[in-house]
Amino acid sequence: EAQVTQNPRYLITVTGKKLTVTCSQNMNHEYMSWYRQDPGLGLRQIYYSMNVEVTDKGDVPEGYKVSRKEKRNFPLILESPSPNQTSLYFCASSPPFGPGSFGPGTRLTVL
Amino acid sequence: AQSVAQPEDQVNVAEGNPLTVKCTYSVSGNPYLFWYVQYPNRGLQFLLKYITGDNLVKGSYGFEAEFNKSQTSFHLKKPSALVSDSALYFCAVRPNSGYALNFGKGTSLLVTP
Repeated sequence: EAQVTQNPRYLITVTGKKLTVTCSQNMNHEYMSWYRQDPGLGLRQIYYSMNVEVTDKGDVPEGYKVSRKEKRNFPLILESPSPNQTSLYFCASSPPFGPGSFGPGTRLTVL
Repeated sequence: AQSVAQPEDQVNVAEGNPLTVKCTYSVSGNPYLFWYVQYPNRGLQFLLKYITGDNLVKGSYGFEAEFNKSQTSFHLKKPSALVSDSALYFCAVRPNSGYALNFGKGTSLLVTP
């Protein structure tokens, strides 16, 4: 089944404790991206990647890191999480200029 | 800069009535336009897209959208709403020269029996 998977689905952590949210897709898509969804703000893009070893900032990259060492994986790293990063995070992948396929989401709470 | 506006936070419709969820965009060049739906506690699901061609595009679950270049709009429509259509709907735009996908803030659709 073609899909985007994210782990974990739910995470509660404390300020400053490094964490990684994994994202993997099995559709051989070049393009992958991370979004955060906050009430009243819609989805805002954090980072995106056009292919292996090619990443770029989206609209709200501060406090986040990404890497793309393999085509299928695009982890999101929070080196020192803060409460304002409490949000619902989505990973997506797509072919060039095509619609995105989204993961199920990761609900992160930073205390 | 590109942007997407969904002017209504919520749309209420009675079951069986037609529905429209509005979207306007601002982007240079000819955009790629998308609609997504999000059910509670779920990820986003692709509904339909406009790339080029016929201004009326048909998508999943009986939804369609009309592209209007002069009004820079891409409104989502359905002739007869179902209670199960109640969800959060997002319009998104991608310029034909780039990869970034910009979303609107979303419109909550409530269909009442």
